[in-house]
Amino acid sequence: EDQVTQSPEALRLQEGESSSLNCSYTVSGLRGLSWYRQDPGKGPEFLFTLYSAGEEKEKERLKATLTKKESFLHITAPKPEDSATYLCAVQADFGNEKLTFGTGTRLTIIP
Amino acid sequence: DGGITQSPKYLFRKEGQNVTLSCEQNLNHDAMYWYRQDPGQGLRLIYYSQIVNDFQKGDIAEGYSVSREKKESFPLTVTSAQKNPTAFYLCASRVAGDYYGYTFGSGTRLTVV
Repeated sequence: EDQVTQSPEALRLQEGESSSLNCSYTVSGLRGLSWYRQDPGKGPEFLFTLYSAGEEKEKERLKATLTKKESFLHITAPKPEDSATYLCAVQADFGNEKLTFGTGTRLTIIP
Repeated sequence: DGGITQSPKYLFRKEGQNVTLSCEQNLNHDAMYWYRQDPGQGLRLIYYSQIVNDFQKGDIAEGYSVSREKKESFPLTVTSAQKNPTAFYLCASRVAGDYYGYTFGSGTRLTVV
């Protein structure tokens, strides 16, 4: 069974204090790993997808990396508007429609 | 602007009632999905549809039903057989063949009263 574990559950940072969120996964043949941002009471917003170990993708202050067992979402010099819950999701193999989501990391950036 | 519209935003259901959640998209996406989100749990797949008039069960389909009569619409009915329906329901869509980059709606929060 595919599993996704995100840590920490919650993270509070001062504005400008860089840090990383972790997503570890167990899947039978990874098709890809995606990161989403979710604001309270809203649907998740797609950030990016990583397909193979060693791949990196960036979007503004966010940078995601992927290994064979985990992904990191690094946040550089965060601002209060980066506060949200960040979700990780994996898809196993071609032809499998199911995304398996982690429970998310709730990030709070303090001004 | 293209997107997914879910309605209503808040819904209250009495015990024993069926309720239907609406999901409409104008993105011309082929595939549509329904997920349920509960506190402390990841999103869980209820049903999905890749083409009109066809849909498949996800991991937690019991107590739910769907239809896909039009490409743009994928309503979800929460039946009285669903024993714990209070949750945040999310509809999503994507282009066929693109397994990532789901577009989500803003969700419907269903509460049993």
